[in-house]
Amino acid sequence: EAGVAQSPRYKIIEKRQSVAFWCNPISGHATLYWYQQILGQGPKLLIQFQNNGVVDDSQLPKDRFSAERLKGVDSTLKIQPAKLEDSAVYLCASSLVGWETQYFGPGTRLLVL
Amino acid sequence: SQQGEEDPQALSIQEGENATMNCSYKTSINNLQWYRQNSGRGLVHLILIRSNEREKHSGRLRVTLDTSKKSSSLLITASRAADTASYFCATDGGDYNQGGKLIFGQGTELSVKP
Repeated sequence: EAGVAQSPRYKIIEKRQSVAFWCNPISGHATLYWYQQILGQGPKLLIQFQNNGVVDDSQLPKDRFSAERLKGVDSTLKIQPAKLEDSAVYLCASSLVGWETQYFGPGTRLLVL
Repeated sequence: SQQGEEDPQALSIQEGENATMNCSYKTSINNLQWYRQNSGRGLVHLILIRSNEREKHSGRLRVTLDTSKKSSSLLITASRAADTASYFCATDGGDYNQGGKLIFGQGTELSVKP
C-alpha cells in the first residue's frame, strides 16, 4: 500500500512570497490533515478535511493560509504572503476515518528568509 | 494549546536497556496514540490505546493508560540504536464533534547509544 505522498520535500522562499504544498493521501482515506511542526515542538493541526469538507480549521491563520481538497482526494496548502515564523515542517496525514490511526507523509520543510 | 506533556524531554540510555516515557494530558479522551519521528522524517504510528483499555503491547513496546490520573506511559524494552528518535503522545480531546483531531505533546527525544 502506497503511503502519503507530499511535495516538494524542501522549499526556501523569501518573506512575503507565496508557496504551495501538495499532498496525496492513502487511497480510500476519507480524512486528511495538515499539521505545522516548528523545530523542537510537536505537530499542531492546521486543518482537517472529511472528504472534501472542512471539519476543523480553528488554528489555520486564515489571513495568509488557505487549503483545499479537490474531489476529496489530493490537497494543497498555500501560504500567501509568507512570514519568517512560518518556517517549519508541514506534515500531511490521512486516516480511514477520524479518531483512528493517522498515517503521515514525509513532510515539506519550509524555510522563510 | 498543548494537550499532552511528555516527560522526560530527553532520555539517553545504552543499547539493551529499557526506556520509559510518560505523557500527561488535561481533558477526557476517546483514545491516546504514540508516534515516533526519526530526524527529518514524518511521524510513524506506534500504538493506539482506547480509553477503556489499560495496557497494550506491540512487539517490544508496552503502553499503559490511567484515565483517572490522565497519564500514559510508553515502555521500550531491550532498546536498540535504531530506536533513537523523538516520541510523541497524541490525544483526541474526547469530543467526537471535534472530528478526531489529534493534539500532540512536545515529545521525548530518545538517544540509544550502542
